Amino acid sequence: AQSVTQPDIHITVSEGASLELRCNYSYGATPYLFWYVQSPGQGLQLLLKYFSGDTLVQGIKGFEAEFKRSQSSFNLRKPSVHWSDAAEYFCAVGAWGAGNMLTFGGGTRLMVKP
Amino acid sequence: EAGVTQSPTHLIKTRGQQATLRCSPISGHTSVYWYQQALGLGLQFLLWYDEGEERNRGNFPPRFSGRQFPNYSSELNVNALELEDSALYLCASRGGQAYLETQYFGPGTRLLVL
Repeated sequence: AQSVTQPDIHITVSEGASLELRCNYSYGATPYLFWYVQSPGQGLQLLLKYFSGDTLVQGIKGFEAEFKRSQSSFNLRKPSVHWSDAAEYFCAVGAWGAGNMLTFGGGTRLMVKP
Repeated sequence: EAGVTQSPTHLIKTRGQQATLRCSPISGHTSVYWYQQALGLGLQFLLWYDEGEERNRGNFPPRFSGRQFPNYSSELNVNALELEDSALYLCASRGGQAYLETQYFGPGTRLLVL
């Protein structure tokens, strides 16, 4: 069975600083990987996804993620964080053959200091 | 284009009652997924419906059930409510024939069981 680990429950960064959110996955085949963001009281918004091809994926709001098969990782990065980026971030792996049902990590709550 | 919509936004029930949650997918999407986001348990896959049929379900008891209507909207029913059913229930829809298509999430229904 697939699993996703987000080692950091909380991260605080200063506005304008760079950001990296960690994600490690376990999946027996080629993974389909996603990053979603959830603002308080809201649903999930897709930031970016990786299915195949270029291992560096660009997303919305200036986010990018890099797929590293050897490390089973799919870390999310942003070069300069804005106060509006404060939210909870979820990494997920999609299960091919099960309708792409998503298995989520526990989430990382990002706080941005002014 | 309208996104995934869910109703009601909030629902308060007492233990033992039944709850009905509704989801309307993005126009043209035929697959609907339900996820539960409970405190301390994270986001967990509940059910997947496609073309009116239940295709897969997560590790939840049978009192969690649902259906998909001919217009592809969906209903989640939770019978014999328990306190631990209190959670945010998220619906997502997916279009396309390939499992590689992205799931788009609605804002959720927050269920509180007293």
